[in-house]
Amino acid sequence: GDSVTQMEGPVTLSEEAFLTINCTYTATGYPSLFWYVQYPGEGLQLLLKATKADDKGSNKGFEATYRKETTSFHLEKGSVQVSDSAVYFCALSPSQGGNQFYFGTGTSLTVIP
Amino acid sequence: DAEITQSPRHKITETGRQVTLACHQTWNHNNMFWYRQDLGHGLRLIHYSYGVQDTNKGEVSDGYSVSRSNTEDLPLTLESAASSQTSVYFCASSPTLQSTDTQYFGPGTRLTVL
Repeated sequence: GDSVTQMEGPVTLSEEAFLTINCTYTATGYPSLFWYVQYPGEGLQLLLKATKADDKGSNKGFEATYRKETTSFHLEKGSVQVSDSAVYFCALSPSQGGNQFYFGTGTSLTVIP
Repeated sequence: DAEITQSPRHKITETGRQVTLACHQTWNHNNMFWYRQDLGHGLRLIHYSYGVQDTNKGEVSDGYSVSRSNTEDLPLTLESAASSQTSVYFCASSPTLQSTDTQYFGPGTRLTVL
């Protein structure tokens, strides 16, 4: 079945470090892929998405490229800030799934000054 | 601004009691979803609805029920609360059935079952 495997956390980085959070997926067809961010005590917010192969989603300095050949959608940021501390979720929506989402387990990121 | 709200934000109840969590959206979205969030599991789908009078079971629906009498609301009922249902519950909505649509999330309800 459809699923998402996400890098285990927690991740601790110093400010201005490079961030990569790995995400791979299993799905038939061409799913849409999403990254959500959850700040402490809040709900999930869409960070970025990509809806077809080779698309790059980007927002707030974060990027992720939809790689069909490696079934991956890794999240990257060149220089993290303390304000990026949050939990990040990778998710997929199957192409024929009625907008149902499958989420990864989440990766907690802490950025220290 | 359109939004999605949940109430209560925090709830403590006892084993065996019936509990209802409210979800209200003002986007006029057709689709609404309920998830629970547990450490190590991410978000898991409990129930979902594609429109008024439509409800469907998700991955972890045992012990939960929903009803959809209007577009704006999808209340989640725990028929007889169990300690295993202690969790954070999130409601979400989306406009269409397209896989490309974003789901928009509420702020969550933290439920503790003693």
